[in-house]
Amino acid sequence: KNEVEQSPQNLTAQEGEFITINCSYSVGISALHWLQQHPGGGIVSLFMLSSGKKKHGRLIATINIQEKHSSLHITASHPRDSAVYICAVVSNDYKLSFGAGTTVTVRA
Amino acid sequence: GAVVSQHPSWVICKSGTSVKIECRSLDFQATTMFWYRQFPKQSLMLMATSNEGSKATYEQGVEKDKFLINHASLTLSTLTVTSAHPEDSSFYICSASPSGMGETQYFGPGTRLLVL
Repeated sequence: KNEVEQSPQNLTAQEGEFITINCSYSVGISALHWLQQHPGGGIVSLFMLSSGKKKHGRLIATINIQEKHSSLHITASHPRDSAVYICAVVSNDYKLSFGAGTTVTVRA
Repeated sequence: GAVVSQHPSWVICKSGTSVKIECRSLDFQATTMFWYRQFPKQSLMLMATSNEGSKATYEQGVEKDKFLINHASLTLSTLTVTSAHPEDSSFYICSASPSGMGETQYFGPGTRLLVL
């Protein structure tokens, strides 16, 4: 069983819809990243969380340390949000373990 | 924001040759850099942790003699795929942690390797 589980694996939404991606993990962590990977392969770190909630533009990330769960929300989704979103947890020795990713497709 | 570059972005080589990939932190010093590999439609897998001035730490199953890592300065780490074979064809990504900020990682754009 993977240390980091993401759901759903794939998600298709209409432009403007609210999107939620979930991440559960089974190990102790010092932080959690939400990453975005576009078709060309480049990776951007959207958020790094160790508690609570962060917001950047239309993106919101939350984490519940006790429940070992994090969510990434996209409000008013747009076709340019189409990408693979990856949850990655940071262990106490700063190594990242990755979820399998969620492929998001937003249709106009 | 912090920028990490990788060079080359694409490389095609013949089986048996060696390929060097560079990872640079452009505007910060990185005591630690990480090398990942990603096969098509799979998630990233950590290959090794590269610490400036010391030997890299390899993950289980990663051959250290095949994937040579050198982290000679606080802004440069190199990964050399020695005697590359077609099964080494993959997307290689590095990340760098600013010194003293271990949880923070900035990712390079990746290097796509195709071994013929």
